[in-house]
Amino acid sequence: GNSVTQMEGPVTLSEEAFLTINCTYTATGYPSLFWYVQYPGEGLQLLLKATKADDKGSNKGFEATYRKETTSFHLEKGSVQVSDSAVYFCALRRNSGNTPLVFGKGTRLSVIA
Amino acid sequence: GAVVSQHPSRVICKSGTSVKIECRSLDFQATTMFWYRQFPKQSLMLMATSNEGSKATYEQGVEKDKFLINHASLTLSTLTVTSAHPEDSSFYICSATNTGSQETQYFGPGTRLLVL
Repeated sequence: GNSVTQMEGPVTLSEEAFLTINCTYTATGYPSLFWYVQYPGEGLQLLLKATKADDKGSNKGFEATYRKETTSFHLEKGSVQVSDSAVYFCALRRNSGNTPLVFGKGTRLSVIA
Repeated sequence: GAVVSQHPSRVICKSGTSVKIECRSLDFQATTMFWYRQFPKQSLMLMATSNEGSKATYEQGVEKDKFLINHASLTLSTLTVTSAHPEDSSFYICSATNTGSQETQYFGPGTRLLVL
């Protein structure tokens, strides 16, 4: 079946540090890949996505590249800010039909000034 | 952007009572909505797929008589937790996909249920 594995947190970084959150997936076919972010007290928001191999999704300084050969979609940001503190979820979705998302367990990021 | 609302945002109820949670797509039509459950410090687990005008499809292990889903219109799906017990306490989240554009799912802010 389809599944997503992401690095366990929590991750604590100083402001302006480099961020990597690893995500790997198992899926039949070629899914779309997503990163969602959940800020404290809020619902999930789409951060970025990639729909095919070698696509790079980017938003708000975050990037992730769809790597088919390593079945990975690692999230990176060059310089984190305190406002990036949140829980980050990697997810996949089959490309056929209107299908639900399969989520990783989430990684809590805390950025300290 | 597309907005999905949920009501209530938080509810506390006594064991044995039923609780209804509403999920609305505010500015788009959604043929399909999804209901997820999130335990503390855990991921979102899909409970069921709600289809407008037809019966919901439940994931394995989710009791359909316990979690009643009604998708009566293209903008509203409801989840009713019947005869709630403390183990039903959780964070319930819905998502909806714009019927006209099935690429992105938009999530509601979630409903925190506490059963005493």
